Amino acid sequence: GAGVSQTPSNKVTEKGKYVELRCDPISGHTALYWYRQSLGQGPEFLIYFQGTGAADDSGLPNDRFFAVRPEGSVSTLKIQRTERGDSAVYLCASSRDRGSHYEQYFGPGTRLTVT
Amino acid sequence: AQSVTQPDIHITVSEGASLELRCNYSYGATPYLFWYVQSPGQGLQLLLKYFSGDTLVQGIKGFEAEFKRSQSSFNLRKPSVHWSDAAEYFCAVGSRTGGFKTIFGAGTRLFVKA
Repeated sequence: GAGVSQTPSNKVTEKGKYVELRCDPISGHTALYWYRQSLGQGPEFLIYFQGTGAADDSGLPNDRFFAVRPEGSVSTLKIQRTERGDSAVYLCASSRDRGSHYEQYFGPGTRLTVT
Repeated sequence: AQSVTQPDIHITVSEGASLELRCNYSYGATPYLFWYVQSPGQGLQLLLKYFSGDTLVQGIKGFEAEFKRSQSSFNLRKPSVHWSDAAEYFCAVGSRTGGFKTIFGAGTRLFVKA
Protein backbone atom coordinates (compact mmCIF):
# COMPACT_ATOMS: atom_id res chain seq x y z
CA GLY A 1 0.00 0.00 0.00
CA ALA A 2 1.14 3.53 -0.70
CA GLY A 3 2.42 5.68 2.10
CA VAL A 4 2.14 9.43 2.50
CA SER A 5 3.43 11.22 -0.56
CA GLN A 6 4.47 14.83 -0.94
CA THR A 7 5.11 16.88 -4.02
CA PRO A 8 7.32 18.42 -5.09
CA SER A 9 10.25 16.84 -3.31
CA ASN A 10 12.22 20.04 -3.80
CA LYS A 11 11.09 23.58 -4.48
CA VAL A 12 13.29 26.60 -5.06
CA THR A 13 11.58 29.95 -5.20
CA GLU A 14 12.49 33.59 -5.03
CA LYS A 15 11.73 35.76 -2.06
CA GLY A 16 8.26 37.24 -2.34
CA LYS A 17 6.81 34.48 -4.49
CA TYR A 18 3.86 32.24 -3.70
CA VAL A 19 4.27 28.46 -3.28
CA GLU A 20 2.01 25.48 -2.83
CA LEU A 21 3.08 22.21 -1.30
CA ARG A 22 0.94 19.12 -1.72
CA CYS A 23 0.35 16.16 0.54
CA ASP A 24 -1.40 12.89 -0.34
CA PRO A 25 -2.19 11.01 2.85
CA ILE A 26 -2.63 7.28 3.21
CA SER A 27 -5.98 6.26 1.77
CA GLY A 28 -8.68 6.25 4.42
CA HIS A 29 -6.74 8.34 6.92
CA THR A 30 -8.99 11.11 8.17
CA ALA A 31 -6.40 13.04 10.17
CA LEU A 32 -3.64 15.01 8.46
CA TYR A 33 -0.81 17.10 9.93
CA TRP A 34 1.74 19.55 8.62
CA TYR A 35 5.11 20.14 10.28
CA ARG A 36 8.08 22.31 9.43
CA GLN A 37 11.62 21.10 10.05
CA SER A 38 14.38 23.66 9.96
CA LEU A 39 18.01 22.65 9.60
CA GLY A 40 19.30 20.99 12.74
CA GLN A 41 15.92 20.99 14.44
CA GLY A 42 13.12 18.59 15.09
CA PRO A 43 9.78 18.93 13.33
CA GLU A 44 7.60 21.80 14.48
CA PHE A 45 3.82 21.45 14.38
CA LEU A 46 1.95 23.75 11.99
CA ILE A 47 -1.63 22.55 11.52
CA TYR A 48 -3.90 19.56 12.01
CA PHE A 49 -6.92 18.58 9.92
CA GLN A 50 -9.66 16.21 10.93
CA GLY A 51 -11.54 15.55 7.73
CA THR A 52 -11.94 18.77 5.80
CA GLY A 53 -11.64 21.13 8.73
CA ALA A 54 -8.59 22.55 10.41
CA ALA A 55 -8.97 21.36 14.00
CA ASP A 56 -5.87 23.17 15.21
CA ASP A 57 -3.91 25.76 13.24
CA SER A 58 -2.12 27.27 16.21
CA GLY A 59 1.29 26.35 14.83
CA LEU A 60 1.01 28.43 11.67
CA PRO A 61 3.64 31.16 12.17
CA ASN A 62 1.72 34.02 10.56
CA ASP A 63 -1.02 34.83 8.08
CA ARG A 64 1.24 34.16 5.10
CA PHE A 65 0.73 30.48 5.78
CA PHE A 66 -2.53 28.75 4.95
CA ALA A 67 -3.58 25.16 4.38
CA VAL A 68 -6.64 23.51 2.89
CA ARG A 69 -8.07 20.04 2.61
CA PRO A 70 -11.26 20.54 0.62
CA GLU A 71 -12.29 16.93 0.13
CA GLY A 72 -10.83 15.42 3.25
CA SER A 73 -7.94 13.69 1.53
CA VAL A 74 -5.26 15.71 -0.33
CA SER A 75 -4.02 18.80 1.46
CA THR A 76 -2.18 21.84 0.17
CA LEU A 77 0.02 24.10 2.26
CA LYS A 78 0.16 27.58 0.78
CA ILE A 79 2.79 30.18 1.57
CA GLN A 80 2.41 33.73 0.34
CA ARG A 81 5.17 36.33 -0.04
CA THR A 82 7.83 33.80 0.85
CA GLU A 83 10.77 34.88 2.97
CA ARG A 84 14.23 33.37 3.28
CA GLY A 85 13.32 32.25 6.79
CA ASP A 86 10.64 29.99 5.33
CA SER A 87 13.35 27.73 3.94
CA ALA A 88 12.89 24.35 5.58
CA VAL A 89 11.63 20.84 4.99
CA TYR A 90 7.86 20.70 5.19
CA LEU A 91 6.59 17.36 6.44
CA CYS A 92 3.13 15.93 6.16
CA ALA A 93 1.75 13.07 8.23
CA SER A 94 -1.55 11.25 8.42
CA SER A 95 -3.27 8.98 10.88
CA ARG A 96 -6.27 6.72 10.68
CA ASP A 97 -8.60 8.85 12.77
CA ARG A 98 -8.81 11.33 15.59
CA GLY A 99 -8.38 8.67 18.25
CA SER A 100 -5.19 7.38 16.74
CA HIS A 101 -3.56 10.71 16.05
CA TYR A 102 -0.39 9.57 17.66
CA GLU A 103 0.00 6.76 15.14
CA GLN A 104 1.23 9.22 12.59
CA TYR A 105 2.78 8.16 9.30
CA PHE A 106 5.11 10.71 7.77
CA GLY A 107 5.86 11.56 4.16
CA PRO A 108 9.40 12.21 2.89
CA GLY A 109 8.90 15.97 2.96
CA THR A 110 9.25 18.88 0.58
CA ARG A 111 12.48 20.83 0.83
CA LEU A 112 11.67 24.50 0.26
CA THR A 113 14.49 26.91 -0.51
CA VAL A 114 13.74 30.61 -0.73
CA THR A 115 16.50 32.59 -2.45
CA ALA B 1 5.37 24.57 28.66
CA GLN B 2 6.24 21.22 27.23
CA SER B 3 9.77 20.75 25.99
CA VAL B 4 12.10 17.96 24.97
CA THR B 5 15.86 17.97 25.36
CA GLN B 6 18.22 15.65 23.56
CA PRO B 7 21.60 16.55 25.05
CA ASP B 8 23.70 14.84 22.40
CA ILE B 9 23.75 16.44 18.96
CA HIS B 10 25.63 13.46 17.55
CA ILE B 11 26.97 10.13 18.77
CA THR B 12 29.37 7.69 17.18
CA VAL B 13 29.36 4.01 18.10
CA SER B 14 31.08 0.99 16.66
CA GLU B 15 29.03 -1.61 14.89
CA GLY B 16 28.01 -4.29 17.38
CA ALA B 17 28.37 -1.97 20.35
CA SER B 18 25.48 -0.97 22.57
CA LEU B 19 23.69 2.34 22.19
CA GLU B 20 21.89 4.72 24.49
CA LEU B 21 20.38 7.99 23.30
CA ARG B 22 19.27 10.40 25.99
CA CYS B 23 16.00 12.26 26.18
CA ASN B 24 14.65 14.50 28.93
CA TYR B 25 11.27 16.13 28.87
CA SER B 26 9.48 18.88 30.71
CA TYR B 27 5.78 18.43 31.26
CA GLY B 28 3.34 18.97 34.09
CA ALA B 29 2.18 15.39 34.19
CA THR B 30 3.07 12.12 32.53
CA PRO B 31 3.02 12.75 28.83
CA TYR B 32 2.85 10.46 25.88
CA LEU B 33 6.44 9.73 24.82
CA PHE B 34 7.84 8.70 21.46
CA TRP B 35 11.02 7.94 19.60
CA TYR B 36 11.22 8.45 15.84
CA VAL B 37 14.00 7.70 13.38
CA GLN B 38 14.69 9.69 10.23
CA SER B 39 16.97 8.34 7.53
CA PRO B 40 18.19 10.51 4.64
CA GLY B 41 15.46 10.89 2.07
CA GLN B 42 13.01 8.96 4.22
CA GLY B 43 10.08 10.09 6.28
CA LEU B 44 10.03 9.94 10.05
CA GLN B 45 9.31 6.44 11.31
CA LEU B 46 7.91 5.67 14.73
CA LEU B 47 10.24 3.36 16.67
CA LEU B 48 8.23 3.07 19.86
CA LYS B 49 5.84 4.86 22.14
CA TYR B 50 4.93 5.00 25.82
CA PHE B 51 1.40 5.76 26.93
CA SER B 52 1.08 3.97 30.26
CA GLY B 53 1.84 0.69 32.02
CA ASP B 54 5.17 -1.05 31.82
CA THR B 55 7.89 1.58 31.82
CA LEU B 56 10.16 -0.49 29.58
CA VAL B 57 8.84 -0.29 26.05
CA GLN B 58 9.88 -2.48 23.17
CA GLY B 59 9.91 -1.12 19.66
CA ILE B 60 10.81 -2.06 16.15
CA LYS B 61 14.30 -2.84 14.87
CA GLY B 62 15.41 -4.12 18.27
CA PHE B 63 15.09 -0.79 20.07
CA GLU B 64 13.72 -0.28 23.55
CA ALA B 65 13.19 2.72 25.79
CA GLU B 66 12.64 3.16 29.49
CA PHE B 67 10.42 5.80 31.04
CA LYS B 68 11.80 7.10 34.33
CA ARG B 69 9.38 9.50 35.95
CA SER B 70 11.79 10.56 38.70
CA GLN B 71 14.34 11.67 36.10
CA SER B 72 11.86 12.91 33.48
CA SER B 73 13.72 10.76 31.02
CA PHE B 74 12.90 8.40 28.19
CA ASN B 75 16.22 7.06 26.94
CA LEU B 76 16.45 4.88 23.85
CA ARG B 77 18.64 1.80 23.88
CA LYS B 78 19.80 -0.94 21.59
CA PRO B 79 22.11 -3.77 22.69
CA SER B 80 23.95 -4.17 19.39
CA VAL B 81 24.03 -1.48 16.73
CA HIS B 82 24.03 -2.29 13.01
CA TRP B 83 25.47 -0.04 10.31
CA SER B 84 21.93 0.46 9.00
CA ASP B 85 20.97 2.18 12.26
CA ALA B 86 22.91 5.29 11.25
CA ALA B 87 20.25 8.01 11.11
CA GLU B 88 18.76 10.92 13.03
CA TYR B 89 16.73 10.04 16.10
CA PHE B 90 14.05 12.26 17.59
CA CYS B 91 12.44 12.04 20.98
CA ALA B 92 8.96 13.56 21.20
CA VAL B 93 6.30 14.28 23.78
CA GLY B 94 2.56 14.52 23.32
CA SER B 95 -0.06 16.10 25.52
CA ARG B 96 -2.50 13.94 27.42
CA THR B 97 -4.86 16.79 28.17
CA GLY B 98 -6.72 17.95 25.14
CA GLY B 99 -5.27 18.61 21.73
CA PHE B 100 -2.76 16.31 20.28
CA LYS B 101 0.35 18.41 19.71
CA THR B 102 3.58 16.51 19.47
CA ILE B 103 6.70 18.39 20.53
CA PHE B 104 9.96 17.10 19.10
CA GLY B 105 13.48 17.37 20.40
CA ALA B 106 16.25 18.71 18.18
CA GLY B 107 17.46 15.20 17.39
CA THR B 108 20.59 13.11 17.83
CA ARG B 109 22.50 12.01 14.78
CA LEU B 110 23.92 8.51 15.11
CA PHE B 111 27.06 7.56 13.25
CA VAL B 112 28.10 3.90 13.12
CA LYS B 113 31.70 3.01 12.44
CA ALA B 114 32.87 -0.36 11.16
